Amino acid sequence: KAGVTQTPRYLIKTRGQQVTLSCSPISGHRSVSWYQQTPGQGLQFLFEYFSETQRNKGNFPGRFSGRQFSNSRSEMNVSTLELGDSALYLCASSLIGQGNEKLFFGSGTQLSVL
Amino acid sequence: GEDVEQSLFLSVREGDSSVINCTYTDSSSTYLYWYKQEPGAGLQLLTYIFSNMDMKQDQRLTVLLNKKDKHLSLRIADTQTGDSAIYFCAEIYYNQGGKLIFGQGTELSVKP
Repeated sequence: KAGVTQTPRYLIKTRGQQVTLSCSPISGHRSVSWYQQTPGQGLQFLFEYFSETQRNKGNFPGRFSGRQFSNSRSEMNVSTLELGDSALYLCASSLIGQGNEKLFFGSGTQLSVL
Repeated sequence: GEDVEQSLFLSVREGDSSVINCTYTDSSSTYLYWYKQEPGAGLQLLTYIFSNMDMKQDQRLTVLLNKKDKHLSLRIADTQTGDSAIYFCAEIYYNQGGKLIFGQGTELSVKP
């Protein structure tokens, strides 16, 4: 069974641009969560999607958005990039997103904003 | 509130046991996890414990949970150089699936 797949692996953008990251969950998993990892703030929850609906959202500005497709694949978008958006963005999947489930993470997308 | 605390660094000799500690503040959390992150990689789930358990053993890994003190520990027996990584503890709430609250991570360095 393939794991969680995130593309691209690396991205370099400049301030003001926008970026879209992609996540394919483990087959059969319908819940997808996104996290931002930075040296200063650590791992922070961005949002969670289930059945194409955002169920939970962290404390990030509206420039961060996401969506989920009918095949459970998810994308997250960051508009008007700032230097502080440079981070490792991790995606995790689980069956239906209940608290008793294991979350499996992808390898992440390393975003550098210049 | 939501807060998970970990010590930042731990250094041990190969073959010794490692104990990584974590404290959490919200007693309503239902599951507690340990993840491992190697350089340039994502998070690998190591083990987890339900909040109504005291201990869980899984091969070289032992998780201890003290609910009264809200303290969680991960013991790695016979630590190897391949265990060098950052270890994160995390808690999750039953009604907020997908939303893990992570500690800052403990960097484990294993010296030969």
